[in-house]
Amino acid sequence: KAGVTQTPRYLIKTRGQQVTLSCSPISGHRSVSWYQQTPGQGLQFLFEYFSETQRNKGNFPGRFSGRQFSNSRSEMNVSTLELGDSALYLCASSPGGTSGNEQFFGPGTRLTVL
Amino acid sequence: AQRVTQPEKLLSVFKGAPVELKCNYSYSGSPELFWYVQYSRQRLQLLLRHISRESIKGFTADLNKGETSFHLKKPFAQEEDSAMYYCALRVSGAGSYQLTFGKGTKLSVIP
Repeated sequence: KAGVTQTPRYLIKTRGQQVTLSCSPISGHRSVSWYQQTPGQGLQFLFEYFSETQRNKGNFPGRFSGRQFSNSRSEMNVSTLELGDSALYLCASSPGGTSGNEQFFGPGTRLTVL
Repeated sequence: AQRVTQPEKLLSVFKGAPVELKCNYSYSGSPELFWYVQYSRQRLQLLLRHISRESIKGFTADLNKGETSFHLKKPFAQEEDSAMYYCALRVSGAGSYQLTFGKGTKLSVIP
């Protein structure tokens, strides 16, 4: 099976712009989670989608949003970009919500905000 | 709110020496604990989970609910073990998949 893929891999934006990142989960996986990774804060949970519904949300401002499509592909959007949004954004997929299911991570999208 | 603490940012050991990466958690319910590893230029991947009680690549980890710890151990370190290690906690019972990560420990095995 192909692994989790994320596009684009690198992105440079300026303050005030918006950005959309894409994640394709492993075939058959219905849960997609997003994480932000920064040197200072480490890995922080953004949100999780399961069967096109946001099931859980981390402690991020409303500028961060996401959605999931019927084929389980997911996008996350960040509006009105700030310098502090510069980070590696990781997507992870899992078969479902039951205990013990492994979460598989993508390579990440490196976002730089200038 | 749940929290995961990895007190060491960097741990250096000699090849063949024992390794212990510390992880403490704070959570009022019944947690699921994981160790993830990220080798150089590779993506984050699961190393082991406490419910499996397995040994992967010689690593083991035991959940100690009394001490709220989930330390990762290996009796004899190998050079290929050099990597970033993250301890993670999943809040169980909610049906959702949210992991709370520690800030990671960089393990460096000296040949």
